[in-house]
Amino acid sequence: SQQGEEDPQALSIQEGENATMNCSYKTSINNLQWYRQNSGRGLVHLILIRSNEREKHSGRLRVTLDTSKKSSSLLITASRAADTASYFCATARLMGAQKLVFGQGTRLTINP
Amino acid sequence: EADIYQTPRYLVIGTGKKITLECSQTMGHDKMYWYQQDPGMELHLIHYSYGVNSTEKGDLSSESTVSRIRTEHFPLTLESARPSHTSQYLCASSDQGFKAGGPYNEQFFGPGTRLTVL
Repeated sequence: SQQGEEDPQALSIQEGENATMNCSYKTSINNLQWYRQNSGRGLVHLILIRSNEREKHSGRLRVTLDTSKKSSSLLITASRAADTASYFCATARLMGAQKLVFGQGTRLTINP
Repeated sequence: EADIYQTPRYLVIGTGKKITLECSQTMGHDKMYWYQQDPGMELHLIHYSYGVNSTEKGDLSSESTVSRIRTEHFPLTLESARPSHTSQYLCASSDQGFKAGGPYNEQFFGPGTRLTVL
């Protein structure tokens, strides 16, 4: 069964606006990660948040984690056309943290 | 420069052919992974390795096989390709360890091989 589910599946906004993507998961986790994938390419790691952390920032990225609700959100502020990509959350379980389970992704389109 | 490479990037072959997808990394990572991804869909783990001579099947059943004879090399082989194998195959590696604040296990991905079986 799928560990991570993201919503929305697709999001289209204007350049300069903020983009928020959500991820829900089912089992207890060691950490949760967000990745970006440009069309036809491999994934690029963006940010990792541990289960004992609630919020983390990296540049224009802000990630929150609510372990009681088993959910996370990724906020991209002041979006740019270059942010157009698919964004995936991935969870590392408490047991077997070396393997990641990926969500289905959110396809983000930034319109100039 | 430390990186992870996959070849070929694109492959179109006929049914029944044997193929090997290559994956190499120069980061010295112990752990390597193969994922299968259909367009616009999530990644499914099909094989992984925690070190030389260690290979395991992933969460998604696959007819492919892998080997890990050298740390840097993790090839995937399909003995007899079929149209149902058409997909994108992504290789990744990680160096699980500890940094200030706790463990880390982020994965580094290659550019992928897009396989089409006619």
